[in-house]
Amino acid sequence: EPEVTQTPSHQVTQMGQEVILRCVPISNHLYFYWYRQILGQKVEFLVSFYNNEISEKSEIFDDQFSVERPDGSNFTLKIRSTKLEDSAMYFCASKVNPEDRPFFGPGTRLTVL
Amino acid sequence: AQTVTQSQPEMSVQEAETVTLSCTYDTSENNYYLFWYKQPPSRQMILVIRQEAYKQQNATENRFSVNFQKAAKSFSLKISDSQLGDTAMYFCAFMRSLTGNTGKLIFGQGTTLQVKP
Repeated sequence: EPEVTQTPSHQVTQMGQEVILRCVPISNHLYFYWYRQILGQKVEFLVSFYNNEISEKSEIFDDQFSVERPDGSNFTLKIRSTKLEDSAMYFCASKVNPEDRPFFGPGTRLTVL
Repeated sequence: AQTVTQSQPEMSVQEAETVTLSCTYDTSENNYYLFWYKQPPSRQMILVIRQEAYKQQNATENRFSVNFQKAAKSFSLKISDSQLGDTAMYFCAFMRSLTGNTGKLIFGQGTTLQVKP
């Protein structure tokens, strides 16, 4: 079965540094998402992306965050200047159409020191 | 705005017994989807079951079944014949079904389930 993949599995960074989290969605999928889960808490929606633009974003997704689909296969989440509170698990998800269930990647654990 | 509530932060069950996890949600919409996801210690998000609100029949997947009460906005998950591998965090999630919707999920706070030998 096709899978969503994410790299790296674990990223450690210093506060104030930029990080880029990478995702490769399933190849025929058109809708892409990033979710965040702070340890022990619920999974929170960050942003949805369709047709090369953001279709919806949450209040968490402020100016420090950006997303991009640079080459038709990768889908990236950039955090411009990381804060301690950005430490979390970040999940990428994709689907063919909005009514489908999302296929989640394995997540990237981000640790900000 | 839609909200999802899981009122049981932690539950435990003996192996081979049955357990029910609760979920309630709030929406003014008539059509939507509901999901249960399992998150084991690896933190992978694994789909357990999905229910379409327009279907009256409760969804089942092997040992997993739901009790969907649309009027009460309740969506509980029943796990029968619990196995040690069912130990995980379980999230209930809501998704709108409207033209133009982005397909995002709204999650509850999660219930940590421990299956005891």
